[in-house]
Amino acid sequence: AQTVTQSQPEMSVQEAETVTLSCTYDTSESDYYLFWYKQPPSRQMILVIRQEAYKQQNATENRFSVNFQKAAKSFSLKISDSQLGDAAMYFCAYRAGANSKLTFGKGITLSVRP
Amino acid sequence: KAGVTQTPRYLIKTRGQQVTLSCSPISGHRSVSWYQQTPGQGLQFLFEYFSETQRNKGNFPGRFSGRQFSNSRSEMNVSTLELGDSALYLCASSPGAGAPREQFFGPGTRLTVL
Repeated sequence: AQTVTQSQPEMSVQEAETVTLSCTYDTSESDYYLFWYKQPPSRQMILVIRQEAYKQQNATENRFSVNFQKAAKSFSLKISDSQLGDAAMYFCAYRAGANSKLTFGKGITLSVRP
Repeated sequence: KAGVTQTPRYLIKTRGQQVTLSCSPISGHRSVSWYQQTPGQGLQFLFEYFSETQRNKGNFPGRFSGRQFSNSRSEMNVSTLELGDSALYLCASSPGAGAPREQFFGPGTRLTVL
């Protein structure tokens, strides 16, 4: 069975600084997708970034980028120039290629210090 | 395009009762997935419906059921409610076919069982 592990329950970052959130996963599939979702206090899950396993290039979306290490089954999220609005819970999620089911990690609570 | 909508946003029920939650996907999306979020278990996949058929199912008891209508709207039903069913229930929609089939989440329904 696929598992997603986020070992850090909480992290804190100074505004304008950079922070990296860690995620590891376990799968025997070769075709899969990885995601980072943000859940602010409103509870609305927002897709931050997506990575296809077959792509070697790391995905980037403005201030958000990933470090995808396929052999190590690691998928970390880097947030640059952190803003107060980045404070939220962040979930790493996995989906096998032909399957719609998302498997989530336990999440990490990110706080941003002004 | 309007986002995913869920009704009601909040519900309070007592043990033994049943409840029906509703989800309207993004226009044109044919797949609807349901997730349960609790502090203890995190985010867990309930089931997915595509073109009125259940395409995937998580590990939940038979008290949890769902259906999808021809307009892609979906309902989820929980019978004989237990205290442990108190959770945030999230619905997510996606086009349903073709990669990467990103899922877009609704605001959730907060169910409290007394």
